[in-house]
Formats: sequence, C-alpha cells, structure tokens
Amino acid sequence: QVHLQQWGAGLLKPSETLSLTCAVYNGSFSNYYWGWIRQPPGKGLEWIGEINYAGSTNYSPSLRSRVSMSVDTSKKQFSLNMRSVTAADTAVYYCARAILTGPDYWGQGTLVTVSS
Amino acid sequence: DVVMTQSPLSLSVTLGQPASMTCRSSQSLVYSDGNTYLNWFQQRPGQPPRRLIYKVSDRDSGVPDRFSGSGSGTDFTLKISRVEAEDVGVYYCIQGTHWPRTFGQGTKVEVK
Repeated sequence: QVHLQQWGAGLLKPSETLSLTCAVYNGSFSNYYWGWIRQPPGKGLEWIGEINYAGSTNYSPSLRSRVSMSVDTSKKQFSLNMRSVTAADTAVYYCARAILTGPDYWGQGTLVTVSS
Repeated sequence: DVVMTQSPLSLSVTLGQPASMTCRSSQSLVYSDGNTYLNWFQQRPGQPPRRLIYKVSDRDSGVPDRFSGSGSGTDFTLKISRVEAEDVGVYYCIQGTHWPRTFGQGTKVEVK
C-alpha cells in the first residue's frame, strides 16, 4: 500500500516562502507524477502542480510565478516551494500521487497559516 | 482552464433514500487515448479527499456499490442509491484530461 507522509512549517509571515516535503513509502516512485493540492479553510480544492521523477513539472498558470517543485529520487521525496505568501495562501496543503484518473493516494495534509 | 460546475451545491437526503449530483465541464473530457478522465471524490469532515469513481464509472476498491457514476462528454452524474450516515461529506468532481487539473466546487451532502 502506497503511503505519503508530508511535513513543513505551519505558520508563516507574509512575504515568506512556504516549503513542504512529501515522502513516498511503498510502490513505485518513478512511474508517476506527484502533485500538490491545497484547500483554503471551508473552501474547495485547487491543484497547484505536479512533478515526476525526472523533474519534469506542470504548474497551475495562476500560481506558476511563485511556485517551484523539486524531487529527490534517492529518498523518494518531492517538495513544494511557494514564494511571497500572503493570507490568501492560508490553506491545508496536500501531497498526492497525480494520475489522470485523479489522485489515488494522499498525504495527511498540512495546515499552513500566513499571518503577521 | 476547464471549468467544472457542480450542482446542487448542497443536498439534504433522508437516510435510505437515493441522492444524485451532477458535474458539467466547459469542454469535452475525452482524452486523446479515448478515455474520459472524470473522477469523483468524497471528503469527510477533517479528512483528505478519497477517490470513489474514476474514468466516469469505475468504482475504486472498497467503495460500496451504492455509489455509481455515469455520463459522457461534458455531463456527468454521481448517484448514491441508498444514502447511509457515513456518506455525509462533500463530493468533488475533478477532470484529469486537460491541464491544469480542475475541481468542481463541491456538493455538500447531509443526511436527515
């Protein structure tokens, strides 16, 4: 059974950089894209982007200017960085296995709060 | 971006009764491989979303058969044949055909 475990800072100040990492346990890492999805409190889901083992990325156009993703295949981990955060970036951030049939495995979620 | 529009936004259903919700996309979701990547997720309070249905009508392992998906092109439906208490939550459709992936705004299901 594939298991995703994520971690990162939960409280940021405006203009800081959000950094989250997700580790993949069990299953293949190189055969898939791995994605990040966020959900503001009480709101719906937004796809941030995805990355594969070779570092090929797809970013949501609305966030592309502030987002970067990276991968460490030796550790089966992938990471999200989002620059210049504001209160509007406050959300639960999920990592997930990204496939055309929709994310089938999810991390536990990390609440990131942006507040001065 | 492909806009996914769900309706209704909320649904109150009597225990044991059927429920139905729809998802409409602003473009056809037929992919170049001939598949239609319209997927349904359930999100219970405080939990990550869980995939129920993929490629319009394929049910995930462990998903009760009271859940069924149907549709084609741009119009899709998720049905619950007999609602149970554990079905409370928000249901999202998501399309995987076009980039960026996009979600519907969700249908909140409550059981009375």
